[in-house]
Parts: sequence; structure tokens; C-alpha cells
Amino acid sequence: AQKITQTQPGMFVQEKEAVTLDCTYDTSDPSYGLFWYKQPSSGEMIFLIYQGSYDQQNATEGRYSLNFQKARKSANLVISASQLGDSAMYFCAMRGLNAGGTSYGKLTFGQGTILTVHP
Amino acid sequence: DVKVTQSSRYLVKRTGEKVFLECVQDMDHENMFWYRQDPGLGLRLIYFSYDVKMKEKGDIPEGYSVSREKKERFSLILESASTNQTSMYLCASKRGGIYNQPQHFGDGTRLSIL
Repeated sequence: AQKITQTQPGMFVQEKEAVTLDCTYDTSDPSYGLFWYKQPSSGEMIFLIYQGSYDQQNATEGRYSLNFQKARKSANLVISASQLGDSAMYFCAMRGLNAGGTSYGKLTFGQGTILTVHP
Repeated sequence: DVKVTQSSRYLVKRTGEKVFLECVQDMDHENMFWYRQDPGLGLRLIYFSYDVKMKEKGDIPEGYSVSREKKERFSLILESASTNQTSMYLCASKRGGIYNQPQHFGDGTRLSIL
């Protein structure tokens, strides 16, 4: 079974500063992937960044980067130069393999972290 | 751009009713998913489908069924709605066989069962 844990129910950051959102995971799958999504108050889920378990480098996508520490089973999202529009719920999710060694892309989600950016 | 469309943003139904939530995607994706989202619990997978007429249970399938008669459409059915099924429901789709592709989500349906 897979598990994703986001221990920060809420986080606050000042505009233009960087913020780290924590995500730890547990899996016995030999290969897996980690996704981060953003959910504004309007409700839509927006894909931000992906990290594969065998990727040699940490993923980056614009102001988003992923601090992937495989031995610690953590995949923290770093948002640099925060903007007011970054205020939203953020979800960490994992894709693993099923018992047959395949994956239909099923995701296991964490509880989410609400980020508030102050001006 | 991928478009996943859920038939209603808000829906109010009564206990015991049979409720249909519809989801349509326009990118010929093989895999489709239904989640429910509750505060403090994140998103939990109800059912998913990896091909037409193929379906598998997710983590919380009790009280729900699904139908996928056409590739682009995936329906979630609440057989006899109960108040504990009041929640936000999210549909998603994904291209099959490409493991690092993200799921694309609809805007969600906020369902209230009275």
C-alpha cells in the first residue's frame, strides 16, 4: 500500500519570499512517480511538477522545484518568489505500480497544505 | 489543451435518489478516474477505467458504481444517495501507457445530499 503524508495543514509566506511545502511518502513499489498539484479556491486541479523515482536530477518547472530525497522518502515542493496568486491548496500525489507490475496512472494523494501568501 | 468536462458544478439531491455524475474528455485518453475530496482527507479514488467497458475499484467504491460505454465518457453512479456522500467529486483522465503523464482534472461537482 502507498501512503502520502503532508504534515503542514497551513503555511504562510510573505510575497516574493520562497516557501517549502513538505511531502513524505511510503511505498514498496520498485518504481514510482511523484506529482504536485495546485487547487485554487475555484476548485480546479492544476498540475505543477513531476519527479520520477529514477530521475537523476531534481525536477524544476519555472518557479517550482522539487527537493527529492529518495533515502528519506521525501519530495518537498519549493516555490520561489511567491506571488499572491500562489495562495491555494497544494497536493502531493504518488503513482506506483499495481500487483501486476503495471500502472494505470492511479494516484494516491496527501491531505493537502493550504498556502497563504501575504502582501 | 486537454478538456475534462463535468456535467454540473453544483448538485443537490435527496437521500435514496439515484444520482448520475457525468464526465467527458476530449483528448482520446484511455484512463479515466473518479475521486472524492473531503477536508483533511485529500482526494480518494472511487473507481477508475483503463478502457471502454473496463473498470476497477479504487479505495472507496462502496455505494458507488461506474459506467464507461464510450471512450470519452465516464459516469459515476450513486445507487441510493446517502448524506455521507455529500462531497466534492472530481473526474480526471490520462493517456494510457505513459507513466509520467499527469492526470487532467475537471472543475469538480459539489454534491449535497439532503
